[in-house]
Amino acid sequence: AQKVTQAQTEISVVEKEDVTLDCVYETRDTTYYLFWYKQPPSGELVFLIRRNSFDEQNEISGRYSWNFQKSTSSFNFTITASQVVDSAVYFCALSEAGTGTASKLTFGTGTRLQVTL
Amino acid sequence: EAGVAQSPRYKIIEKRQSVAFWCNPISGHATLYWYQQILGQGPKLLIQFQNNGVVDDSQLPKDRFSAERLKGVDSTLKIQPAKLEDSAVYLCASSPLGWNTEAFFGQGTRLTVV
Repeated sequence: AQKVTQAQTEISVVEKEDVTLDCVYETRDTTYYLFWYKQPPSGELVFLIRRNSFDEQNEISGRYSWNFQKSTSSFNFTITASQVVDSAVYFCALSEAGTGTASKLTFGTGTRLQVTL
Repeated sequence: EAGVAQSPRYKIIEKRQSVAFWCNPISGHATLYWYQQILGQGPKLLIQFQNNGVVDDSQLPKDRFSAERLKGVDSTLKIQPAKLEDSAVYLCASSPLGWNTEAFFGQGTRLTVV
């Protein structure tokens, strides 16, 4: 069975600091997708990134970057120069190929990020 | 493009009462999901539809929860009778068909059972 672990329950940083959110996953499938979603106080889950199990190339998008390492089953997310608007709960999620769709997600418990001035 | 619409946003009911939630997915999205998010936890899938057929309802408590997707578009999720532990946010999501897609979520309905 698949499992996603986000060991950090809550992180507080001061604006402009860099912050890394950790995610460790378990799956028996060789084909799977990993996701990061952001949940602001409004409650809606906002898609940030999708990465498939065959693509370990790390990516930078603006202030966001992702580090996918199959050897350690980790998919970490970094925000550079954090801003107050980044304050939210961040969820890592996994979808296995056997489900037939990339969108049947198993979520971690989330990391609450608080960015203060 | 309009997002996933859900209503109501908030609902408070007494235990043993019934409640229904409504979801309108993004136009053209064949797949629709209902997730339950208990406070402090990640969302958990309750049921997945593809068009108007159920693909997976293995985690739906069928003794009290039911869901339908009319004509493969809108969906309703019902709880009857509600229990205190049903207090949660109920999120609806939709996605296009296919493996290489992502789900788009609505703002959810926050249910409080007292």
